[in-house]
Amino acid sequence: GESVGLHLPTLSVQEGDNSIINCAYSNSASDYFIWYKQESGKGPQFIIDIRSNMDKRQGQRVTVLLNKTVKHLSLQIAATQPGDSAVYFCAEGSTSNDYKLSFGAGTTVTVRA
Amino acid sequence: IAGITQAPTSQILAAGRRMTLRCTQDMRHNAMYWYRQDLGLGLRLIHYSNTAGTTGKGEVPDGYSVSRANTDDFPLTLASAVPSQTSVYFCASSVAAGVGEQFFGPGTRLTVL
Repeated sequence: GESVGLHLPTLSVQEGDNSIINCAYSNSASDYFIWYKQESGKGPQFIIDIRSNMDKRQGQRVTVLLNKTVKHLSLQIAATQPGDSAVYFCAEGSTSNDYKLSFGAGTTVTVRA
Repeated sequence: IAGITQAPTSQILAAGRRMTLRCTQDMRHNAMYWYRQDLGLGLRLIHYSNTAGTTGKGEVPDGYSVSRANTDDFPLTLASAVPSQTSVYFCASSVAAGVGEQFFGPGTRLTVL
């Protein structure tokens, strides 16, 4: 079946630099996308979401970009901090499928001091 | 209670035994979900409920059952546990299907021997 995937399983970034985490999806019917952060031993935590009628959405220090043409989603984190070290998951859902979410395998982000 | 709670935190179970994982939320959310998380596979939806009294199958429902007798509780039952059900189980809830973020509980680590 169709699934969400991530381009890279790990990302190492210098503290203070910007981070970019990428995600590819294959279900053209997906119209809702979310980024989650998961710290060790905890449940996933919502970061930001975006619907298919938008191509960019900004939050606090984070920006999500959606390119429907190439089915690509990215999360940008500005001025990365040590507390940003975690596993990041993208997820997709669709109106036609009860918004049930399909998650990617995750990207582990490590922030270097 | 604040948010979502899960019980037990962890459990070691003999194969063939019956086990119920508990999930309670106090946010009056209509939609609730059960996921399992395995290394390298991200989170996979087991079952979900869009409102009290209704349930639906997710991506990996076999070997699991759920009930939603009221808004707050969404127990997950393994009728006869098998080693492949060793995983970390997360319960989540949202205001409604596709509305707002999904809030995740702290997880239950289950080991089936």
